[in-house]
Amino acid sequence: QKEVEQDPGPLSVPEGAIVSLNCTYSNSAFQYFMWYRQYSRKGPELLMYTYSSGNKEDGRFTAQVDKSSKYISLFIRDSQPSDSATYLCAIESQAGTALIFGKGTTLSVSS
Amino acid sequence: GAGVSQSPRYKVAKRGQDVALRCDPISGHVSLFWYQQALGQGPEFLTYFQNEAQLDKSGLPSDRFFAERPEGSVSTLKIQRTQQEDSAVYLCASRFGGEFDFGPGTRLTVT
Repeated sequence: QKEVEQDPGPLSVPEGAIVSLNCTYSNSAFQYFMWYRQYSRKGPELLMYTYSSGNKEDGRFTAQVDKSSKYISLFIRDSQPSDSATYLCAIESQAGTALIFGKGTTLSVSS
Repeated sequence: GAGVSQSPRYKVAKRGQDVALRCDPISGHVSLFWYQQALGQGPEFLTYFQNEAQLDKSGLPSDRFFAERPEGSVSTLKIQRTQQEDSAVYLCASRFGGEFDFGPGTRLTVT
């Protein structure tokens, strides 16, 4: 079992839809959870960074962590065509050094 | 200020050739990471430096891969006798505090 599992999609939604992206992880010791967005032919850019269980909101984006079920989510409200990208969940390893990434979910928002 | 830069952005190598990929981290960032991202996959950890010390090279797939950061700033990832399976995007990231900043990557194609 991989340490981080993420459904690669692709996911296609109309403009204005609410998008839900999810990952599960296997090691309950993981503490830091991140969502990155990666546009085609670009490096990943940090969207959200959370530490504890619960919700964190930033504009149209909400990150949710449920440590009891080892489940993390990213919600995008009022999705826009500019949100079309690959979304990667990432977890900081136990050693506090490298990030462990999911496979990424490719999202396409049509206008 | 400038972000993480990588060069070349694209590299085509014939099988068996040696290649060198360069990463210029953000000035003052002590930690530097190399990742390999195959098509349709999330980034996979290769190696990690703190200043000039290579603290973790557990992700390097074979002894054909070698990384260095001799003065604690610029880093080079070298791949000897390239194989087709080395075709991927090689991402560099530097870190200050909790946040990782990624470069745009070098897309390596081995023919």
